[in-house]
Amino acid sequence: QKEVEQNSGPLSVPEGAIASLNCTYSDRGSQSFFWYRQYSGKSPELIMSIYSNGDKEDGRFTAQLNKASQYVSLLIRDSQPSDSATYLCAVNMRWGSYIPTFGRGTSLIVHP
Amino acid sequence: NAGVTQTPKFRILKIGQSMTLQCTQDMNHNYMYWYRQDPGMGLKLIYYSVGAGITDKGEVPNGYNVSRSTTEDFPLRLELAAPSQTSVYFCASSYGTSTAGELFFGEGSRLTVL
Repeated sequence: QKEVEQNSGPLSVPEGAIASLNCTYSDRGSQSFFWYRQYSGKSPELIMSIYSNGDKEDGRFTAQLNKASQYVSLLIRDSQPSDSATYLCAVNMRWGSYIPTFGRGTSLIVHP
Repeated sequence: NAGVTQTPKFRILKIGQSMTLQCTQDMNHNYMYWYRQDPGMGLKLIYYSVGAGITDKGEVPNGYNVSRSTTEDFPLRLELAAPSQTSVYFCASSYGTSTAGELFFGEGSRLTVL
């Protein structure tokens, strides 16, 4: 079973707060993990990739990976209204080759 | 750089009609993918290709066919369109191997089957 689970939300946070988005996955063999942002009516765009256990920081974004718990998260610090979007978790899973498999996404709303 | 180009952007089909969604990339990526996205849902993998001449099924391949005769092009064929195929279709590409998930997406093709 190839599953990537995310809470669909919406997650509502005030401007300036930390938004925490979570994702679990079913394939213990997965080695590559990604977060995409998708604005309404647009295509997804990659914001973070993470391959090793621990934290990876890029500007206001931090991705966290725990392979033992099959859990990956995204923290957005100092959230801005422009961060309001759907955040898709993608995990490389084996479809013959390892191919990105997406969760249903979490809708984030940052209110002023 | 054009990146990943999909055509058409919008299309309305009648039940039973067929059509091809075109996808081309100019980044010399080995891997290409077709996903569909239904409202409020994530992306479901239809087909993928790891190189010219090689294609494989994803999670929801029924009702679709693909070919990969060149590195640049990866068309998706819909045969005998059904209302269940109403969706937004995204083509994507990537370098492959460990970075296979770092996808570059086209703008999407919104298909309605009536």
